[in-house]
Amino acid sequence: EPEVTQTPSHQVTQMGQEVILRCVPISNHLYFYWYRQILGQKVEFLVSFYNNEISEKSEIFDDQFSVERPDGSNFTLKIRSTKLEDSAMYFCASSEAVWDTQYFGPGTRLTVL
Amino acid sequence: QKEVEQNSGPLSVPEGAIASLNCTYSDRGSQSFFWYRQYSGKSPELIMFIYSNGDKEDGRFTAQLNKASQYVSLLIRDSQPSDSATYLCAVPNFGNEKLTFGTGTRLTIIP
Repeated sequence: EPEVTQTPSHQVTQMGQEVILRCVPISNHLYFYWYRQILGQKVEFLVSFYNNEISEKSEIFDDQFSVERPDGSNFTLKIRSTKLEDSAMYFCASSEAVWDTQYFGPGTRLTVL
Repeated sequence: QKEVEQNSGPLSVPEGAIASLNCTYSDRGSQSFFWYRQYSGKSPELIMFIYSNGDKEDGRFTAQLNKASQYVSLLIRDSQPSDSATYLCAVPNFGNEKLTFGTGTRLTIIP
């Protein structure tokens, strides 16, 4: 069964460093998403991406965040200058259509020291 | 700001009994509703979705939707220890681009 994959599973970085989280969505899906979940808190929407551009973003998704689909398979989230409060699980999701179910990847645990 | 509310639990249910999980939402325009299961340290996994008022059954799971009361629930029949997890209610924005999640209800099935 097709699934969303994410790498790395765990990323440790120093405050102020840049990180890139990678995702491979399900191959026939057209809509891509990033969510995050701070430990013990709810899953929060960050950004949605369709047709090579951001279609919606939350207030969390400020100038330090960016997303890209560099090729036909990968979808990346870049955090330019990490802060302690960026420590969280980051989930990538994809859906076939805008009204369709979103399937989540296993997540990347980001730890900012 | 659309809100999705769930009782955080923990909810303890004996093995074999029915577990009932509830969710309320603030946006009367919401059209679809999703239930995800999340094991500790793992990602959300889709259990089922519902669009129409009434009940929808899938195996041991039944979703119930009442749009007039802005209420959606998930029933788990014949609860198993493997059902122990946090259950997340999620409501999409118009067009389904953004899922708004509740805080989740932590369910423990007691053998």
